[in-house]
Amino acid sequence: QKEVEQNSGPLSVPEGAIASLNCTYSDRGSQSFFWYRQYSGKSPELIMFIYSNGDKEDGRFTAQLNKASQYVSLLIRDSQPSDSATYLCAVKVSAQKLVFGQGTRLTINP
Amino acid sequence: GAGVSQSPSNKVTEKGKDVELRCDPISGHTALYWYRQRLGQGLEFLIYFQGNSAPDKSGLPSDRFSAERTGESVSTLTIQRTQQEDSAVYLCASSLWGSSYEQYFGPGTRLTVT
Repeated sequence: QKEVEQNSGPLSVPEGAIASLNCTYSDRGSQSFFWYRQYSGKSPELIMFIYSNGDKEDGRFTAQLNKASQYVSLLIRDSQPSDSATYLCAVKVSAQKLVFGQGTRLTINP
Repeated sequence: GAGVSQSPSNKVTEKGKDVELRCDPISGHTALYWYRQRLGQGLEFLIYFQGNSAPDKSGLPSDRFSAERTGESVSTLTIQRTQQEDSAVYLCASSLWGSSYEQYFGPGTRLTVT
């Protein structure tokens, strides 16, 4: 079992709808979780991080964490074509080491 | 301020040759990371530095891979006797030291081994 798993997609969502991206992880002791966005040919950029169970909202983005189920998700409300990218889930497995999922490719259709 | 920079941006090399990839972190960032990203894949952790010390080298794929860092600045990743499976984008990131600090990524070096 991979340490961090994501559906590779592609996930296609109509403009204005909610995009839901999911990630599961294997290390029950993990405490910190990150979502990175990566446009094609570009480097990843951090969009959200979450440490506590529940929801964390930042603008159109909401990260959700359920440590009991070892599940973290990212919701994007009012999806825009500019949100089309690959979204990488990352889990901190030690003080400084991040393990990344393979990413979910998201396409927002106008 | 300046972000993380990497050079070269692209490198094409013949199988069996050695290559050096360079990373300049953000000034003041004591932590530096190297990742590999194969086409259509996520990021694969290679190594990180705290200052010029490398506490975790567990991700280096083989003994052909090595990395060093000068103080809290430039790092080089060296791949000896390159193989075609080494073809990937090599990404460097830096951060302040501490578990809660964001990693900022450089633009990457695209390595192609022919």
